[in-house]
Amino acid sequence: QKEVEQNSGPLSVPEGAIASLNCTYSDRVSQSFFWYRQYSGKSPELIMSIYSNGDKEDGRFTAQLNKASQYVSLLIRDSQPSDSATYLCAVRGDSWGKLQFGAGTQVVVTP
Amino acid sequence: GAVVSQHPSRVICKSGTSVKIECRSLDFQATTMFWYRQFPKQSLMLMATSNEGSKATYEQGVEKDKFLINHASLTLSTLTVTSAHPEDSSFYICSAVTGFHSGANVLTFGAGSRLTVL
Repeated sequence: QKEVEQNSGPLSVPEGAIASLNCTYSDRVSQSFFWYRQYSGKSPELIMSIYSNGDKEDGRFTAQLNKASQYVSLLIRDSQPSDSATYLCAVRGDSWGKLQFGAGTQVVVTP
Repeated sequence: GAVVSQHPSRVICKSGTSVKIECRSLDFQATTMFWYRQFPKQSLMLMATSNEGSKATYEQGVEKDKFLINHASLTLSTLTVTSAHPEDSSFYICSAVTGFHSGANVLTFGAGSRLTVL
């Protein structure tokens, strides 16, 4: 059974601080990795994708990938109350779009 | 950008009835769509892959006779929950392939449909 593991949280982060989210996956052949943000009652929205080892930055978000350790993370800098949501890690093992999702980490940014 | 329109956003039905959920690709053709289900506080679980003009491919444990998927055109896929029961109450979300990046497809999700079976 291919698995994607995340800490469920909630992760409480003061406004302006850095939120650090972690994700591990079991399928070594996984090629593509995604972070989605999901507000309560809404569908997921893509915020970051990463395909190669190392860091990828987009605005306040930085994704980090280490395929040897089967680990992907997301950093949210200068956290805002609007960042309060559940963040889903998703992993794709082939090129046909089938995603394996983690259970998500709830982030709560406190003013 | 590409938009995936999903309707209805909320539906309440009586046990034993059938419910149809539509997923449309706006301004682009979607040969492949994916249907997910999400129970409260849980992750998205892939139910099936919908392919235009052919039978859907269901994930292990998903009853194909209960969750009917039709992808009759390049812009429309439908999921029909037949003889719905309270345990089918869930958040159903469709997604479509809307791009290609670094050797992999990029997905866009619909807004989701909240089904409540009384």
